[in-house]
Amino acid sequence: GAVVSQHPSWVICKSGTSVKIECRSLDFQATTMFWYRQFPKQSLMLMATSNEGSKATYEQGVEKDKFLINHASLTLSTLTVTSAHPEDSSFYICSARAGTEAFFGQGTRLTVV
Amino acid sequence: GNSVTQMEGPVTLSEEAFLTINCTYTATGYPSLFWYVQYPGEGLQLLLKATKADDKGSNKGFEATYRKETTSFHLEKGSVQVSDSAVYFCALRSGPGSARQLTFGSGTQLTVLP
Repeated sequence: GAVVSQHPSWVICKSGTSVKIECRSLDFQATTMFWYRQFPKQSLMLMATSNEGSKATYEQGVEKDKFLINHASLTLSTLTVTSAHPEDSSFYICSARAGTEAFFGQGTRLTVV
Repeated sequence: GNSVTQMEGPVTLSEEAFLTINCTYTATGYPSLFWYVQYPGEGLQLLLKATKADDKGSNKGFEATYRKETTSFHLEKGSVQVSDSAVYFCALRSGPGSARQLTFGSGTQLTVLP
C-alpha cells in the first residue's frame, strides 16, 4: 500500500519555541492531507485539512495562528506548532488519501517542557 | 452530523479467547465503515473496511459486517493472540467530495495475556 512518512517520531522542546512536523507521501501524490491530534486514551481529533497550493481548512476550535499548516507540494505537508506550551504536548498524526483509502503517518510525540 | 460510538475499554482477554468490540454509528447517507489498529508508538493502520450494507470486511482473522438496520460494525475475532494487543478504532467516512474526512470512535484498548 501507499506509504506516508512523518518526521520526527518524537520531539521535546522548550516552552515558547516552535516545532515543525513533516508529513510526506512517499510513493503517491496527495492533494489533500489531514492533521489529527490524539490525547492519551482518546480518539483522533481532526485539526485541519491541508490542501496543496491553498490555505488549510481548520476545524472549529483549532487556532490557525498556533498550528500553521503549509502544503507546498503534492508530497509534503508541514505542521508548525508555534510558541509551544505544555498543553500542546500530544501525539500528532497526519493522513493522506490515495484513491479511496486513507494512509497514516506513524505519528509524532510532542512533549513541551 | 456523523458520529461513531465505540465500546469502552480497556478489554483484557486470554490468548485464544473470542473478541467482540462493538461499534455503532450515526451518519447521513451511506457511509463507508472502517476498523483501524494502532500498535504502541505507531500510527494507525487500516485493518478492514466495508463500503455498503451487508458487506463483510476481513483481515488477519478479524471480521466486521456492515449492518445498516442496526447501524453497527462490530469487530470480531475467533481466537486472539498476544500480538493483537493494540488500540482499535472504528471509523466512518461519509459526505460529498473527494476530501471526505474520517470520523473516529474513541478507541478500545485490547490487551491479550499469554
